[in-house]
Amino acid sequence: QVQLVQSGAEVKKPGSSVKVSCKASGGTFSSYTISWVRQAPGQGLEWMGRIIPILGIANYAQKFQGRVTITADKSTSTAYMELSSLRSEDTAVYYCATAIVADDAFDIWGQGTMVTVSS
Amino acid sequence: SYELTQPPSVSVSPGQTARITCSGDALPKQYAYWYQQKPGQAPVLVIYKDSERPSGIPERFSGSSSGTTVTLTISGVQAEDEADYYCQSADSSGTYFVVFGGGTKLTVL
Repeated sequence: QVQLVQSGAEVKKPGSSVKVSCKASGGTFSSYTISWVRQAPGQGLEWMGRIIPILGIANYAQKFQGRVTITADKSTSTAYMELSSLRSEDTAVYYCATAIVADDAFDIWGQGTMVTVSS
Repeated sequence: SYELTQPPSVSVSPGQTARITCSGDALPKQYAYWYQQKPGQAPVLVIYKDSERPSGIPERFSGSSSGTTVTLTISGVQAEDEADYYCQSADSSGTYFVVFGGGTKLTVL
């Protein structure tokens, strides 16, 4: 059973960067993709991008192009999402998720990481 | 990129049937997925590939597709089904991307 465990909550200043980790266990890390999805307080789900660890290829949502970097370390089965030039609107819970049951079906989620951007 | 449109809210009484719709121009060509999210929790996949149900999801959850609209149906709604529901689709025909609907709050009266 694949499990995803994320790093802890962060408080950041506007203009800074944040890097959130997502460690996978219980499966073969290189055989699936890891997506990042965020949810601002009281708002809906927003896909940010994904990485295919076995290829090292990342795709990003147009909205975040140039500001987000998703990487993966196969040796530790850990994916990372770094968001730069933070602003208050980036305050949100950030989730990693993967699709095991079928392509594009996010059936495994991390517990979420709260990122607060405040001066 | 494209949009998925859901009604903001749906209300039903216990034991009734709830239907939540999701509309999008690309849905005839792409599969839809449905998630249930309760306050303070991560989303849970309840339907994939329009109508498939993951193991562990109660049979009262079902999905269907017709043209540009997909529908999540919850038969015999229970109080525990009160949650936000999101539809989702993905497109890998060009640069891969994923889109979520805006979410529907299901209230069990």
